[in-house]
Amino acid sequence: NAGVMQNPRHLVRRRGQEARLRCSPMKGHSHVYWYRQLPEEGLKFMVYLQKENIIDESGMPKERFSAEFPKEGPSILRIQQVVRGDSAAYFCASSLQGSYNSPLHFGNGTRLTVT
Amino acid sequence: GDSVTQMEGPVTLSEEAFLTINCTYTATGYPSLFWYVQYPGEGLQLLLKATKADDKGSNKGFEATYRKETTSFHLEKGSVQVSDSAVYFCALPTGNQFYFGTGTSLTVIP
Repeated sequence: NAGVMQNPRHLVRRRGQEARLRCSPMKGHSHVYWYRQLPEEGLKFMVYLQKENIIDESGMPKERFSAEFPKEGPSILRIQQVVRGDSAAYFCASSLQGSYNSPLHFGNGTRLTVT
Repeated sequence: GDSVTQMEGPVTLSEEAFLTINCTYTATGYPSLFWYVQYPGEGLQLLLKATKADDKGSNKGFEATYRKETTSFHLEKGSVQVSDSAVYFCALPTGNQFYFGTGTSLTVIP
């Protein structure tokens, strides 16, 4: 009865390195969302994916950020050439259906620190 | 676009006090409304939801009523406990995502 699994829980990268964040949705869920939470702020939507498809990436920065949800395996959020401003908690959520009446189930997040 | 406006915190209460956290929404149509709770170091957990006007969602002593006439979904609890200390988020689905309020931090002191 595993919930949404994210790893790693904590990730430290130096400026210019790449960060890869992984998310395995709840069993049976094919809708995955990524959110970013900055200190003392709310959650900001980044991207919504279904298996093998990006449905909405309107919240993703245009450069350095990418996301995928392959047919097999976890969803990956990739940040290239990280900068200090990328330091945040990144949360993945999954749902059984796309939005509206179907609640999101969140993982415990990956806390990225860029030094 | 659709959004929620949430009461700013932080809120500090004594144990057994009454809690209200205000949330108002702007939406086209009548979306479901949600409250989520985030404990320190964890992700958000669904606390309760309401799917239509006049519905009352409830869970763990918390309640919220979907009021169309005032476009509100205020969270209430009659008697808070220290274990309720957390950040509370009001949310509504919009387009392909959920829009979350800025969160209200609650600290309950013994």
